[in-house]
Amino acid sequence: GAVVSQHPSWVICKSGTSVKIECRSLDFQATTMFWYRQFPKQSLMLMATSNEGSKATYEQGVEKDKFLINHASLTLSTLTVTSAHPEDSSFYICSARELRGRATEAFFGQGTRLTVV
Amino acid sequence: DAKTTQPTSMDCAEGRAANLPCNHSTISGNEYVYWYRQIHSQGPQYIIHGLKNNETNEMASLIITEDRKSSTLILPHATLRDTAVYYCIVPFENGGYQKVTFGIGTKLQVIP
Repeated sequence: GAVVSQHPSWVICKSGTSVKIECRSLDFQATTMFWYRQFPKQSLMLMATSNEGSKATYEQGVEKDKFLINHASLTLSTLTVTSAHPEDSSFYICSARELRGRATEAFFGQGTRLTVV
Repeated sequence: DAKTTQPTSMDCAEGRAANLPCNHSTISGNEYVYWYRQIHSQGPQYIIHGLKNNETNEMASLIITEDRKSSTLILPHATLRDTAVYYCIVPFENGGYQKVTFGIGTKLQVIP
């Protein structure tokens, strides 16, 4: 299957600072990427949909000014957690979509574990 | 989007077949069923998908009932590395792309 790479795999930052997470599709072009967040022992929660060259679409309850998403190219989307607080500590996962006819398969990155201290 | 219902957890003996059920009674005629799994602290992994015919790949088989209201993922010979949370998902169209949202899934524990 296609490869999606996230960087960094884990990060620890101080409260009030910003953290950028990168998501790259390594062997295909992804017009759409998705960002998820997962708290311990919970399922993945979709945060936003990122379309190349346009503004991201955020799910209800997700603060767009806090979670900045940029999808400047067909292989790269970034999520910036601004002014991070301890409650933002979570596992962040991106997914890139490769279109194959009618059905599509979403490929996921390995995730980024963010700890805000 | 079509809601899916799965058992919260299941156990399976190593080497035996693991059969994971999923109900999706509100699925529409052109919606696919997808299965993903998530091993602890990793990103989800695509397993298989299907529309109405049964499907098989190197990882698993997918059996879809004739009325398409339910499906079963089969891992023919479960190993300890198959211990994971398995998600049955019916994506829905949203502005030209399919939206993939996760439920609670089934936590499969493969027992030695």
